[in-house]
Amino acid sequence: QQQVKQSPQSLIVQKGGISIINCAYENTAFDYFPWYQQFPGKGPALLIAIRPDVSEKKEGRFTISFNKSAKQFSLHIMDSQPGDSATYFCAASWARRGAQKLVFGQGTRLTINP
Amino acid sequence: DGGITQSPKYLFRKEGQNVTLSCEQNLNHDAMYWYRQDPGQGLRLIYYSQIVNDFQKGDIAEGYSVSREKKESFPLTVTSAQKNPTAFYLCASKPSGRTYEQYFGPGTRLTVT
Repeated sequence: QQQVKQSPQSLIVQKGGISIINCAYENTAFDYFPWYQQFPGKGPALLIAIRPDVSEKKEGRFTISFNKSAKQFSLHIMDSQPGDSATYFCAASWARRGAQKLVFGQGTRLTINP
Repeated sequence: DGGITQSPKYLFRKEGQNVTLSCEQNLNHDAMYWYRQDPGQGLRLIYYSQIVNDFQKGDIAEGYSVSREKKESFPLTVTSAQKNPTAFYLCASKPSGRTYEQYFGPGTRLTVT
C-alpha cells in the first residue's frame, strides 16, 4: 500500500518531442505528489508537485496530470531538450504521527537525443 | 549559502568497519531524513527525525544508526551489521508545519570492499 510504481524504467526521446513518465499508487492517504529531477552524482531537486484535489498543474514545459479515481499521475515534458536528460522520480507524501514521509518510485532515466 | 552539506562525497571502507556519514543543514529546518539510493530502486528511507533528540526508523533501518544532538546535524552511521552497505546515501531536510518539499543534499557515495 505504501508503494509507488513508476514506468518506464528508461526513456529515449528526440529533441523537441514529448517525454511522458507514469506513476501509480494504492494508498488513498497520500496527500501530495512531487516529481524530483536528479542529475548524475547529485541529490534530487523538486521539479513540480501537485495536490490530489487538482487534475493538472503546469510549470513551463513541465505538466503533471493527476487522475484521482485511477490513482495515477504522470509527468509530461514538452519540447524536450538535451538538458532535460536526467533521472526522474515520482513520489507520494503521507503523514504519520505528525511526521511527513515520502515514498518514491523506482526512477526513470530520461535521455534526450539532440 | 544556505543548504545541506554532506561529506565526504566519496567514502571507501573495508568490510567490518563502521563508518559515519555527515549531514549538516543551515536552513533552520526541523525535520531531517536519510535515504539510500540503489540503481533501479528509487530512494528508500533509512531514518528520520522531526526534532532534536528524537528520531524514528524508516523502511530499511537495520544495520544503521543515527543521532540528532543538534538541529543542524543528523549523522548516519553505517555499521558492520549492514549486509550491503555500498550505495549512494542522501540526506534531506524539511521545514516544520504543513509544507511538503524535502530539500536534498548532494549525497555521499559509500563503497565497502
